[in-house]
Amino acid sequence: NAGVMQNPRHLVRRRGQEARLRCSPMKGHSHVYWYRQLPEEGLKFMVYLQKENIIDESGMPKERFSAEFPKEGPSILRIQQVVRGDSAAYFCASSPTSGSADTQYFGPGTRLTVL
Amino acid sequence: AQSVAQPEDQVNVAEGNPLTVKCTYSVSGNPYLFWYVQYPNRGLQFLLKYITGDNLVKGSYGFEAEFNKSQTSFHLKKPSALVSDSALYFCAVRDVGSASKIIFGSGTRLSIRP
Repeated sequence: NAGVMQNPRHLVRRRGQEARLRCSPMKGHSHVYWYRQLPEEGLKFMVYLQKENIIDESGMPKERFSAEFPKEGPSILRIQQVVRGDSAAYFCASSPTSGSADTQYFGPGTRLTVL
Repeated sequence: AQSVAQPEDQVNVAEGNPLTVKCTYSVSGNPYLFWYVQYPNRGLQFLLKYITGDNLVKGSYGFEAEFNKSQTSFHLKKPSALVSDSALYFCAVRDVGSASKIIFGSGTRLSIRP
């Protein structure tokens, strides 16, 4: 049973470009969460999605960031017009149901570097 | 607002010695507390949780944590450290307002020397 998959593992973008990060949840999981980890810091919650719905986006920056989890295919975290401050590791987690934190299974992360 | 604090950026322990990684919390109501471990270039792995019940919680890889309500602490412990325990450890609390949101501490890097 494959775990949570994220790709790419490493992404380099120049300022002003767009970054697309993909997350495939574990089989049978319909809940996806995105977290951002800045260097030397803990993970910060960004957004929680179910299939075709954004449930909680309280941690998302108001501009340039968006997320989706379509009926078919992976969840996408999209960052438009990236800036150097967006450089971070972005982790996705999935769970079969919402609620207890121990049922969130984390992917290996995508490390975004903005030049 | 819910939060957790990890006062030590780094903890160094000799192999075979007991280890403690400290965590204190600030929550309204009953806390739901967790420990996660992050190995280099890997995602987070769940170690253990405290929801209710016994104050001493046992988890994966021989780790345990002690919930102390009076000191608002949830320290991670292991009786005998292994070199392979070297990693980044995060204390976390479940957000009261959102059952799906986890709030993480800043992390403690544990280094076990042979």
